[in-house]
Amino acid sequence: QSALTQPASVSGSPGQSITISCTGTSSDVGGYNYVSWYQQHPGKAPKLMIYDVSNRPSGVSNRFSGSKSGNTASLTISGLQAEDEADYYCSSYTSSSTLPYVFGTGTKVTVL
Amino acid sequence: EVQLVESGGGLVQPGGSLRLSCAASGFTFSSYWMSWVRQAPGKGLEWVANIKQDGSEKYYVDSVKGRFTISRDNAKNSLYLQMNSLRAEDTAVYYCARDEADYWGQGTLVTVSS
Repeated sequence: QSALTQPASVSGSPGQSITISCTGTSSDVGGYNYVSWYQQHPGKAPKLMIYDVSNRPSGVSNRFSGSKSGNTASLTISGLQAEDEADYYCSSYTSSSTLPYVFGTGTKVTVL
Repeated sequence: EVQLVESGGGLVQPGGSLRLSCAASGFTFSSYWMSWVRQAPGKGLEWVANIKQDGSEKYYVDSVKGRFTISRDNAKNSLYLQMNSLRAEDTAVYYCARDEADYWGQGTLVTVSS
């Protein structure tokens, strides 16, 4: 049950765009269009930002977008804002585990 | 409005037991898979267990198999996690989450320490 691989940290200046990668295998990210992204501020519960690779739940800013190519999914935050500073986690359906889902290792986004 | 409210966390000695509860409201509880996700202090998220709508299918992360039991009571709109033989490495905030974690509770802290 290995976690999906994310960069430990990504940073950007206000107004810039950043992209967070989430790398798995053909048994998870690459094999299914069931990738989600979560935002977590310190001391708070995670919040769903993207589901099924590229869909945004109601109320989530359109500055957040998701995509996938092969075994790697990506979350792009455009027009970076101070409030976007948080931890971000990807998650994917997986066929190679005793649980149907697996999280990524997490990425700390810093707004410079 | 979807609400998930966990309870039951606390301090327990290694080898002890604890039962977490999650009260759900604002949606048809019996129509959704439900999950427990945990986060150790300063660490990432980890799926712990999930359960099908009618309780007929349950899945666990390897590290808790045989020690934790997920269950639900659809009549009470409640999800449970019975945790036995607790270890220090089970120390974490435990979140209740709906389905593929589209909604989360606020979490309850479980501390395993002597």
